[in-house]
Order: sequence, then structure tokens, then C-alpha cells
Amino acid sequence: GAVVSQHPSWVICKSGTSVKIECRSLDFQATTMFWYRQFPKQSLMLMATSNEGSKATYEQGVEKDKFLINHASLTLSTLTVTSAHPEDSSFYICSARPGMGRQDTQYFGPGTRLTVL
Amino acid sequence: DAKTTQPNSMESNEEEPVHLPCNHSTISGTDYIHWYRQLPSQGPEYVIHGLTSNVNNRMASLAIAEDRKSSTLILHRATLRDAAVYYCILRDVTGANSKLTFGKGITLSVRP
Repeated sequence: GAVVSQHPSWVICKSGTSVKIECRSLDFQATTMFWYRQFPKQSLMLMATSNEGSKATYEQGVEKDKFLINHASLTLSTLTVTSAHPEDSSFYICSARPGMGRQDTQYFGPGTRLTVL
Repeated sequence: DAKTTQPNSMESNEEEPVHLPCNHSTISGTDYIHWYRQLPSQGPEYVIHGLTSNVNNRMASLAIAEDRKSSTLILHRATLRDAAVYYCILRDVTGANSKLTFGKGITLSVRP
């Protein structure tokens, strides 16, 4: 149990286009979802935290108008990278936390590798 | 979240036990100790967590010092598939949106 999926697993796009990444909790309801970014040889950096039905909370230095997060349901969150540029190329990883008594464990998706040409 | 300190890397031999240390001298009473690992090109995977008592599960054991200022993740028999970056993270679970903040972790290499 506790599986988190991401789609797509990789994407290549041209500079200036927008890319949407989906994150789904397959066998549990996620009251809170998190989006991380990881550059090569570096650790994960938290970008934002979102609760279902409310606006996401972004970490300092993360542009909310560039990285649009929608937590539309208890099993789905999306991250849209708007007007992507080469410097946005990275490994994007989502994470979900179940509600109702399993608050202290977070489950991670397999990641989405974004390459912007 | 309080900070943790881990060695940069460690090597082990296949089928031998591995002890991965973590220091967290500024841990607070409501901080849980979490361990995650990340295999190359994958998302992190939950390993184990604990508060005060030692914990065991099918993947590993977590030994927590009596003063809670350090802990050790124990892999009882390392396999090649255990080669990964292991992250020791403190998380205060009293906050509604308490989050996992990743440090650099320790890179474990396993020799056949």
C-alpha cells in the first residue's frame, strides 16, 4: 500500500512552453501533498506544500506564478511549470501524506525528469 | 526543523551489517527521527522512523541514543540493492503542515 504515482516520468519541451506534472496517491487519500525539486548531485529542495481545496504554501524563493500547484482532490495534485526555461530543467518529485492517523509518514512518487531545450 | 549531521559516504560489503550514524544534538522533545533512502533516479523511499525507543521493521532497525542526540540506522545484511543515499531527518509532528527537510544524506556503496 501507500503508492504515489507521477506522470509523466520524463518530459522534454521547448523553452517558453508550459508543462504539467500529475501526482496521484493510488491507495490512500492525501490531505497534504508536497512538491520537491532536485538538481544533479544535490539533495531534494521543498518547493511548496498544498492541502486539498486550498492554496499552496510556497517556500521562500519559489515563484508561485511560475510553478502553479493545484490540489484538486484528495488523490491528485498537479504542478505546472509555466514558460519553462533551461534553468527549470530538474527532477521534480511529489510526496503525499495520508490523513486520519498516519500523519507521520510521507510517501514519495518516482519523480519526473524535466528537460527544457 | 532541527538539523542533522551525517558522514558524506560509507562503504560496506555485501551480506554484512551496515551501521549508518546520524547526529542531531539540537533535537527537541517533539521531533521524530525519520530515515528515507533514495536510489539513483528515483524518489525517496521511507525506511523507518522513531521517537525514543529502538524500532525494527522488515527493512532496517533504528537505534536511538538514550539522550536522543544521535541515532543509527542498521541494515542487517547489506545487498547491492541497498546502495543509495540515506537521509536522516527530524520532523516535528506537532505542526499541522510539518514537513520533511532533506540534508545531503550519506551515500552508501555496497561492494559485491
